[in-house]
Amino acid sequence: DTEVTQTPKHLVMGMTNKKSLKCEQHMGHRAMYWYKQKAKKPPELMFVYSYEKLSINESVPSRFSPECPNSSLLNLHLHALQPEDSALYLCASSQDVEYEQYFGPGTRLTVT
Amino acid sequence: GNSVTQMEGPVTLSEEAFLTINCTYTATGYPSLFWYVQYPGEGLQLLLKATKADDKGSNKGFEATYRKETTSFHLEKGSVQVSDSAVYFCALSPNTGFQKLVFGTGTRLLVSP
Repeated sequence: DTEVTQTPKHLVMGMTNKKSLKCEQHMGHRAMYWYKQKAKKPPELMFVYSYEKLSINESVPSRFSPECPNSSLLNLHLHALQPEDSALYLCASSQDVEYEQYFGPGTRLTVT
Repeated sequence: GNSVTQMEGPVTLSEEAFLTINCTYTATGYPSLFWYVQYPGEGLQLLLKATKADDKGSNKGFEATYRKETTSFHLEKGSVQVSDSAVYFCALSPNTGFQKLVFGTGTRLLVSP
């Protein structure tokens, strides 16, 4: 089973709101990732967690705050976002950082 | 640095036509190569992969061969279906350390009945 789940599927939030995106996998993978994908573009890497520790932050603004509560869960906390942050947010996981990545269905975020 | 170049889309085909989507890469060392597919409104699915020269990845009737001499990984399918309409991303990752994916720009495939 190579399934990564993400909730919610869609999210609309105002610029003053605080919300969270959730990602879950039960494949025993030890690496998890957040990507941002704008329309008609490839995904852009945001964060990498390896063994529940943040290992890569691709210079993402602090209004995006990742959290890895355990080896199966990955959250992305959102605060004071801008309209240009509207995008599809994809979570991925892999057995380790040296293995291929499997993506979830994404959360479509709209910031108003 | 590492980069991936894909053919511009959209590629428009009739059902049962032969498909080729070109992908070439630039990389140091010996990367792994991937094709991901993204159906409308969905995330990316790993379609196939190849980890060394001359490897052929295949899945769901799609094939791609890792050609080191031409630095290419072209995607092919003998007979496309309407349900294959999607965006296809070619990608590479280095074979050492963190496997950061480098994506091509994506190629949209439209298959009509």
